[in-house]
Amino acid sequence: GDSVTQMEGPVTLSEEAFLTINCTYTATGYPSLFWYVQYPGEGLQLLLKATKADDKGSNKGFEATYRKETTSFHLEKGSVQVSDSAVYFCALNPGQGAQKLVFGQGTRLTINP
Amino acid sequence: SQTIHQWPATLVQPVGSPLSLECTVEGTSNPNLYWYRQAAGRGLQLLFYSVGIGQISSEVPQNLSASRPQDRQFILSSKKLLLSDSGFYLCAWAGESGNTIYFGEGSWLTVV
Repeated sequence: GDSVTQMEGPVTLSEEAFLTINCTYTATGYPSLFWYVQYPGEGLQLLLKATKADDKGSNKGFEATYRKETTSFHLEKGSVQVSDSAVYFCALNPGQGAQKLVFGQGTRLTINP
Repeated sequence: SQTIHQWPATLVQPVGSPLSLECTVEGTSNPNLYWYRQAAGRGLQLLFYSVGIGQISSEVPQNLSASRPQDRQFILSSKKLLLSDSGFYLCAWAGESGNTIYFGEGSWLTVV
């Protein structure tokens, strides 16, 4: 079945460091790919998405490119801030039936000042 | 614009007591609706989804049930809670023609 594998955390960086959180997927069809962010004690917020190969999603300085050849959707940010501390989830939507998301396990990110 | 609300935000219930979590979506019609659970230190698990009034699909066998009495209302229930039901419950919706799923604020349930 469809699955998402995320870089294991936790990840701890200093402010202004470069961030990469790896995400790879397995899917039988042509899924859409998503990154969600969960701040402490809150629900999930959609961070960015890409619906087809080579699409780049971007938001709040974060970027991820849909790479079909490597089945990856890595999240990057050039200069992280303390306020980026959160849990990040990679997810795919197979695009068939009831549009159900398949999530990775989540990566906890902590940014130190 | 569309909004989603769920309540209560926090709940502490004794083992064996009933549960009712409610979720409503505004600004859209005939959405797909979902209940997810996030246990402590673990990922997200899809519990139920619904594509229309009265249509409920269960993803995992468990002590919980879901109902959709109105187009934009989704309810998660239990007759008798177990300790293992503790967790963070998230309601979510997707438009009929869209593939993007949006989440509510979540409800923390602690069973004691």
